[in-house]
Amino acid sequence: DGGITQSPKYLFRKEGQNVTLSCEQNLNHDAMYWYRQDPGQGLRLIYYSQIVNDFQKGDIAEGYSVSREKKESFPLTVTSAQKNPTAFYLCASSIPRREGTDTQYFGPGTRLTVL
Amino acid sequence: EDQVTQSPEALRLQEGESSSLNCSYTVSGLRGLFWYRQDPGKGPEFLFTLYSAGEEKEKERLKATLTKKESFLHITAPKPEDSATYLCAVQARQAGTALIFGKGTTLSVSS
Repeated sequence: DGGITQSPKYLFRKEGQNVTLSCEQNLNHDAMYWYRQDPGQGLRLIYYSQIVNDFQKGDIAEGYSVSREKKESFPLTVTSAQKNPTAFYLCASSIPRREGTDTQYFGPGTRLTVL
Repeated sequence: EDQVTQSPEALRLQEGESSSLNCSYTVSGLRGLFWYRQDPGKGPEFLFTLYSAGEEKEKERLKATLTKKESFLHITAPKPEDSATYLCAVQARQAGTALIFGKGTTLSVSS
């Protein structure tokens, strides 16, 4: 079955630690995204990548880092510099198009809690 | 500034009681408007993409429509399993592939 997987489903972090969230897709999509969702707020874009070895900052990139070494994988590292990391993290992928629009499909999410 | 506003924030319906959810948007050139359904603790599930004013799409009890300033998600004769948060997002021409999301409308349907 094609889809997007995220792991782990739940993650607990102590203050001062870096943690990495995994996102893998087997949809053969070129573009991948990371969003953050907080209660009562819309999804906010952290980073996105349209092609391997290239990525761009979104609206709230401070305190996060990413890599895109393979088309299928787009891991997100939440660093100790992120002041309020407790949130629900969502990964998405799409086939970017020059004309028209591209639909983004989401993974099941990772809930990160800072203890 | 590009933005998306959804209303109401929460909606309670009786089973079979039809209603509509609203998504108002301000964007500098619309490439597409998206509707997603999100169940608690899960990722958003894609429902519809609308591209231009006047366009309509349907799926089971859901129908999405689009004007130049807003989109409606009409729910006809809802069932308890339609209870979820419905998210609206827009893709602007100048923003590349990034989506701008509203805060969502949480729908509760009771039997």
